Formats: sequence, C-alpha cells, structure tokens
Amino acid sequence: AQSVTQLGSHVSVSEGALVLLRCNYSSSVPPYLFWYVQYPNQGLQLLLKYTSAATLVKGINGFEAEFKKSETSFHLTKPSAHMSDAAEYFCAVSNYNQGGKLIFGQGTELSVKP
Amino acid sequence: EAEVAQSPRYKITEKSQAVAFWCDPISGHATLYWYRQILGQGPELLVQFQDESVVDDSQLPKDRFSAERLKGVDSTLKIQPAELGDSAMYLCASSPSGGPSYTQYFGPGTRLTVL
Repeated sequence: AQSVTQLGSHVSVSEGALVLLRCNYSSSVPPYLFWYVQYPNQGLQLLLKYTSAATLVKGINGFEAEFKKSETSFHLTKPSAHMSDAAEYFCAVSNYNQGGKLIFGQGTELSVKP
Repeated sequence: EAEVAQSPRYKITEKSQAVAFWCDPISGHATLYWYRQILGQGPELLVQFQDESVVDDSQLPKDRFSAERLKGVDSTLKIQPAELGDSAMYLCASSPSGGPSYTQYFGPGTRLTVL
C-alpha cells in the first residue's frame, strides 16, 4: 500500500529564509507525487506535481521539489519565504494500482516570521 | 478560470439530523471525488465517480453516508443520521479523467459541525 510521511507538523521560518518541507513516500509501483497548499477554511490548490518527466519540478509562487527515487523523497523548497506563504502544505501520492485516488500526508503548517 | 463549486460553505447541525452537500465540478471533467478532512489531518477519499458510476467507495461509511452523481455532472453527498465524529471539512475535487497523473482541482469545501 502506498503512504506519505511529512516530517514536521509545524515549520517556522523568518521572512526571506529558505523554506524546506519534507515528504517521504511509499509506493510499490512508480509514483505520481503532488504538493498542495491550503489556506484557512479553503480548498487545496496545486503547487506542483511530478509525473515521471524531469526530477526537478518547478511550481507556482517560486516553489520547487525534487524527486529522489533512491531516498523515496519529494521535498518542497523555496529560496526565500514570504509572509503570504504561511499556510498548510500537503504532500500526496498516487499510482496506477490505486487509480486516481490521492493518498495525503498529515500536512505541515508553515509559519513565516517578520 | 473554471472552478469547482460547493455549497453550503458552512453547515451546523445536531446529531441524528440529515445533511447534504452539493458539488459542481469543472465543466467537462469526467471524474469527481469526495474527500473528508478531519481537523489537523490530510484529506481522505470517501468516494470516486467516473461519469455517473462509482469507481471507489471502499472508505465510505455506507450505513450513514450516500453519494450520487445521477447525470454524470454535479454530485450530492448525504449523511443520515449525522454523528459527532462527522464534524470535518468535506472537499469535492474533479479531474479530466481518473488516471493518477491528472491534477485534481479542489473546491472550497463544506465545513460541517455536528453538535
């Protein structure tokens, strides 16, 4: 069965600092990986996705993630945090054995200090 | 830009009452998903439709939950009777097809509080 582990339920950074949100996955077949962002009382918005093309994926708002098969990781980074980045971030995995179903991690809440 | 619509945005009900949530996916999207998100957790799939057919409802508590997508367009999720543990955000998502590489577009959700 596939699963996702997000290390750190809360991450706090200063404005302008590097953002690093960690995601490790488990999948018995090649995975498709996603990062979504959720603002309070809103739905999820796609930041980026990995679909077996380039291992370094660039997304919206300056975020990017690197697929590392050997480490079963898909960590999300942004070089310089902005106050508007404060939100909940979810990593999710899917594969052909599970159809289109997304399996989500528990989420990481990002706080950005002025 | 096309969006997934959901209503109501917020619902407060008493336990043992019936509630219903509505979702209108992006036009042309064949696949529709209902997820439940308990506070502090990631969403979990309740039911997946391909057009009007249920593809996956393995995690749907069928003794109290039902879902339909009669004409393969909009969908309704119903809970009867509601229990305290049903308090959560109910998210609807749609995608062009059901394959794992397709992006799922989420609506704003319905926040359910059961008293």
